[in-house]
Parts: sequence; C-alpha cells; structure tokens
Amino acid sequence: DAGITQSPRHKVTETGTPVTLRCHQTENHRYMYWYRQDPGHGLRLIHYSYGVKDTDKGEVSDGYSVSRSKTEDFLLTLESATSSQTSVYFCAISESTGLPYEQYFGPGTRLTVT
Amino acid sequence: AQSVAQPEDQVNVAEGNPLTVKCTYSVSGNPYLFWYVQYPNRGLQFLLKYITGDNLVKGSYGFEAEFNKSQTSFHLKKPSALVSDSALYFCAVRASGGYNTDKLIFGTGTRLQVFP
Repeated sequence: DAGITQSPRHKVTETGTPVTLRCHQTENHRYMYWYRQDPGHGLRLIHYSYGVKDTDKGEVSDGYSVSRSKTEDFLLTLESATSSQTSVYFCAISESTGLPYEQYFGPGTRLTVT
Repeated sequence: AQSVAQPEDQVNVAEGNPLTVKCTYSVSGNPYLFWYVQYPNRGLQFLLKYITGDNLVKGSYGFEAEFNKSQTSFHLKKPSALVSDSALYFCAVRASGGYNTDKLIFGTGTRLQVFP
C-alpha cells in the first residue's frame, strides 16, 4: 500500500462522539485525499489537500473537517459522529498537479457508529 | 458534470476465458481515465491509465483497456481470466477544472467473479 498507513484500522464509536482518523505517508507526495466507500456508491471524495494547510471540500464534506499541518499527515475529523457516517474510509496520495498522476490508496479504516 | 458509469454490478467468467469489465464516461475536455482493483479488506490498487496516444493501454497483471472516444468508453479486458482476478474493479475519470487538484470521479464498481 505504497507507504501509506491509516489509523486506527477499525473503530466503533457512539453517535455524537468526535472521531479523528489519521493518514500518514512516507512518499512526500503533495496531494492527499479522504474518501468514503459505501455499497452502491463506489468511492466518494470527502476532502482533499494540495499542500500543508491547503485543503478543500469534496462532494460529501458535510459533517467532516480535515487538517494538514505536515506534508506526511492528513487528519479527518468527524465532529459529532452519526450513523450515516458508518463507512470504510480510505486515504489516498498523488504526486503533483498538471499531469494526471494516479492516486495510491491506504488500507482503509472501517468505522462503525452505533 | 463529470461522471462514470459501470453498467454491470457483477461479471462472471470461467477461468481461461476472456473477460471484459465495462466503463463509460462523461467529461468535458480530454478524459484521463483510470482502472483500479480492490481485493477484500484492502485499499484500491492502480491497474492502468489512459492519458493520450494509443487507444489500447496495457497495465498490471495482464490487464489492458481500450479507449473509444466515439463511444465514450474505457473497457477493461484480459485475454485469459484467472481465479485470482476475482475482485472489485473501479473505473475513474479525472475531473476537469481546478488547476490545483487531481480529483477523480469513481464509478460504483463491478465485482468480477472468475470460476474454476
């Protein structure tokens, strides 16, 4: 999984609690992404980052925030988890802008909100 | 708006037979197209991409894909399927606009089942 780790790999939490997922890369890639994977929806982009402290929203950003204080780390926070946020979350990285470089994905975090 | 369609939720094929996983796209401007594979409990793995040039793109594990501009398709193919090819396959297209990003739009996935 191309020098990308995600933590935790599994988490069960209760509705209303805050949750932070971490993505760590050792590739020094500029771009980092958070996706969620749900049956029938494929992968949907939550937020992405194009540099340290530079982030933007994806198509399903409501209820999520992100931070990137270092090149290697990209955090996804659910401020107040809801059952609709039960999903598998994937982090991805890619090299640069301009040319359409492929994205490389981490192993995923399975989050269950009860 | 950009979109990707994978019209088949599942494709079944016998080992040794050729396989095709279909993908059609809609995008303004030139499309950049990708195929990924996902094995159980794993992240997505990059298989191949089309940027420009030859319409037949070769990728990992013996897979190839044919870009057809007139039909706006990018079907994934393999001449002889293996049981180990059984997995979930995703087609993706790069969204246009926003010079500061490399956003991908993913299809909903096609589960490939190869039977011995």
